Amino acid sequence: IAGITQAPTSQILAAGRRMTLRCTQDMRHNAMYWYRQDLGLGLRLIHYSNTAGTTGKGEVPDGYSVSRANTDDFPLTLASAVPSQTSVYFCASRASVGDTGELFFGEGSRLTVL
Amino acid sequence: AQSVSQHNHHVILSEAASLELGCNYSYGGTVNLFWYVQYPGQHLQLLLKYFSGDPLVKGIKGFEAEFIKSKFSFNLRKPSVQWSDTAEYFCAVNALFPNNDMRFGAGTRLTVKP
Repeated sequence: IAGITQAPTSQILAAGRRMTLRCTQDMRHNAMYWYRQDLGLGLRLIHYSNTAGTTGKGEVPDGYSVSRANTDDFPLTLASAVPSQTSVYFCASRASVGDTGELFFGEGSRLTVL
Repeated sequence: AQSVSQHNHHVILSEAASLELGCNYSYGGTVNLFWYVQYPGQHLQLLLKYFSGDPLVKGIKGFEAEFIKSKFSFNLRKPSVQWSDTAEYFCAVNALFPNNDMRFGAGTRLTVKP
């Protein structure tokens, strides 16, 4: 089934540990995004990539890094996790920069940092 | 960068009542506008979108929204809500320049009483 796959779906992590959330899409979409969803704050953009090989910072990039080595994969890394990074993380994609911009979302990754 | 404001945090309605959820954005350039819905335990799904043409757009499940450029608004409406509309609703703005990223409002939780 075409779409976006995120892994893991849920993870409990000790503070200070390194963690990578994986995101893979098979729709050949150029643009990909990482959001975090927190109660009362909605979705906040962490990082984005408009095409393979490029990335950009969103609203809340501190403590996170991304890479876009190819079209399909867009991993999000927490180099040293902190409790404030406890959240639900959504990966999203859309076809291209010039289209009408509808986002397709993954199922989310729930991360708890203790 | 653009910002998105949703004025209602939690709206409670009875079935058959009319709904209007406010959304305002701050950005002077060309935008694409969206409303997404998130049912409990699920990821975000597109309700409707505006990118050009008729400022009154119709989406799925009887929802519609009107883009008023002079007011930087894109309010969501439904004439008669159902219990199954209970969900969280997010307004989103895609500013084409400079980064073509997608920003979301904080969301409005809608509870429809049967």
